Amino acid sequence: GAVVSQHPSWVICKSGTSVKIECRSLDFQATTMFWYRQFPKQSLMLMATSNEGSKATHEQGVEKDKFLINHASLTLSTLTVTSAHPEDSSFYICSAIKTGTSGLSTGELFFGEGSRLTVL
Amino acid sequence: QKEVEQNSGPLSVPEGAIASLNCTYSDRGSQSFFWYRQYSGKSPELIMFIYSNGDKEDGRFTAQLNKASQYVSLLIRDSQPSDSATYLCAVKDSNYQLIWGAGTKLIIKP
Repeated sequence: GAVVSQHPSWVICKSGTSVKIECRSLDFQATTMFWYRQFPKQSLMLMATSNEGSKATHEQGVEKDKFLINHASLTLSTLTVTSAHPEDSSFYICSAIKTGTSGLSTGELFFGEGSRLTVL
Repeated sequence: QKEVEQNSGPLSVPEGAIASLNCTYSDRGSQSFFWYRQYSGKSPELIMFIYSNGDKEDGRFTAQLNKASQYVSLLIRDSQPSDSATYLCAVKDSNYQLIWGAGTKLIIKP
């Protein structure tokens, strides 16, 4: 399988501060990574699609200036929650698409362990 | 609005029985179908994916796809308490976007 590592696994911060979450593909290159948010007992909500070397695509209703995404290399994408507020408290999960040997995506998504953010 | 529908459950199944999880989708042009398992407080993990009509078996898991009826199901044979989790259906639609179902909570009772 493919391994995606996410860090930190949990973070507590004060309201108004910014928090950065890292997502790394450890044993494969990922030109595309995804960031999700999941509130308790709810399904995954796609926040944005992160493409290496280009701007991220944020989903409707997700503020791009509040949720900054940087995908500077083929193995690392970061999500920065700027000026975090209590309503941003959630479980943030990244995933990466594994590219097959043909260079095409197999469509399989591999998920990081998730980062639980609590904003006080 | 492209949709993927799952019964939220919970679905309660006795240990050792077959658990049957269903998922329907609205985009007839969808090509790829995935089942993920998510334990509480954890990230989803891929169980199986299926592209072609029919059955695909992997150990105790069988995915069934019927494109004409637009449904995909997951069967878990010899259910174990460790199978208790939320099962997420995901469909890659005709625009290559991955659409997620809300998940079905499965409880295996010893």
